[in-house]
Amino acid sequence: DAGVIQSPRHEVTEMGQEVTLRCKPISGHDYLFWYRQTMMRGLELLIYFNNNVPIDDSGMPEDRFSAKMPNASFSTLKIQPSEPRDSAVYFCASSHLDSQETQYFGPGTRLLVL
Amino acid sequence: EDKVVQSPLSLVVHEGDTVTLNCSYEVTNFRSLLWYKQEKKAPTFLFMLTSSGIEKKSGRLSSILDKKELFSILNITATQTGDSAIYLCAVRAGGTSYGKLTFGQGTILTVHP
Repeated sequence: DAGVIQSPRHEVTEMGQEVTLRCKPISGHDYLFWYRQTMMRGLELLIYFNNNVPIDDSGMPEDRFSAKMPNASFSTLKIQPSEPRDSAVYFCASSHLDSQETQYFGPGTRLLVL
Repeated sequence: EDKVVQSPLSLVVHEGDTVTLNCSYEVTNFRSLLWYKQEKKAPTFLFMLTSSGIEKKSGRLSSILDKKELFSILNITATQTGDSAIYLCAVRAGGTSYGKLTFGQGTILTVHP
């Protein structure tokens, strides 16, 4: 299996622009997680899905952030409008129902908002 | 609010030294505690602990959980430069947060030759 796939790997954008991050989980996994990692705050869970349904979005910073999972093999995290403080590495991870604790992480998207 | 605290925040040692990393937690409906290693990319899974007092071991790494005192330690013996990484502790809660992992801030380990 190719593992969790994220795109783009790097994104540089200007403040106010819309940013869309993409994730393809491991085939057969039931859970999908979006995390953000910064030096100041460490790794934070933003939102997670079970069988394409959002379960807990309490970590989403504000209304500028939204996430969707239209099918079992694709999810997006959108920031509109982006701000410099959104600069971070965004990870997507997935896990299987039978081993939910073991989350497999994608390579991350490094976002820089100027 | 679930909370996971790791210590120390950073550690510098020489090859061959033994290190102990600490993780304490306060969560509702504890289910499991996990350790991850993060080098220059994404975190990779090391251990999952659910029961007190049972040591998990993988090569030079070992970990144990104390559910009474609400902490876990990760030991690395005979450290090598390849052990240099951020070590993350995470706790999984049950109940309505089923599946959710709360991460500590990580311990940055640097191993010098």
